[in-house]
Amino acid sequence: GAVVSQHPSRVICKSGTSVKIECRSLDFQATTMFWYRQFPKQSLMLMATSNEGSKATYEQGVEKDKFLINHASLTLSTLTVTSAHPEDSSFYICSARSGTGDPYEQYFGPGTRLTVT
Amino acid sequence: EDKVVQSPLSLVVHEGDTVTLNCSYEVTNFRSLLWYKQEKKAPTFLFMLTSSGIEKKSGRLSSILDKKELFSILNITATQTGDSAIYLCAVPGRAAGNKLTFGGGTRVLVKP
Repeated sequence: GAVVSQHPSRVICKSGTSVKIECRSLDFQATTMFWYRQFPKQSLMLMATSNEGSKATYEQGVEKDKFLINHASLTLSTLTVTSAHPEDSSFYICSARSGTGDPYEQYFGPGTRLTVT
Repeated sequence: EDKVVQSPLSLVVHEGDTVTLNCSYEVTNFRSLLWYKQEKKAPTFLFMLTSSGIEKKSGRLSSILDKKELFSILNITATQTGDSAIYLCAVPGRAAGNKLTFGGGTRVLVKP
């Protein structure tokens, strides 16, 4: 089956620093990757959609200059949280969709728990 | 804007009980509804429903869709402690990339 990995699984950083999270599709080419954020006891909220080789599309209310997304290859997308603050502490999950599979089928990564102190 | 609402928000049952989770939706150009189970990490796929009245079944889990009344239910029979999780339903939108709109989830706790 399709496997998506995320790295790191857990990160703690100081306020004001930047953190990069990687999302990789291990056995398929992901034409589209999605980044979600999930606060405790809440559902997944889509942050942005990225297609390989083009700029990400951000959801309303998500600061594109704060959450930098790069999808430079068909197997890798990165999310960089710039100048992180404690309110950015959350569970970040990526998902990936191949260009050949069911258009609604997304494979989720295991998530990255970010804690900003 | 697409909208997905799940109920109840949470419930606590004992092993062996049956639970029914609800998901209602308002979507432009509906194509499918998906159910996921989320334990400590990312969601795992359970079902995709596209047609009304056809039950999908996997072990003790089953789900059905009503496209006229715009809702779906997920049933879990003979619950086990391992069924404790957040259950999410989602619908893909018509925007580029078929992004998913998730409901708020139902947190299920199964006590021994």
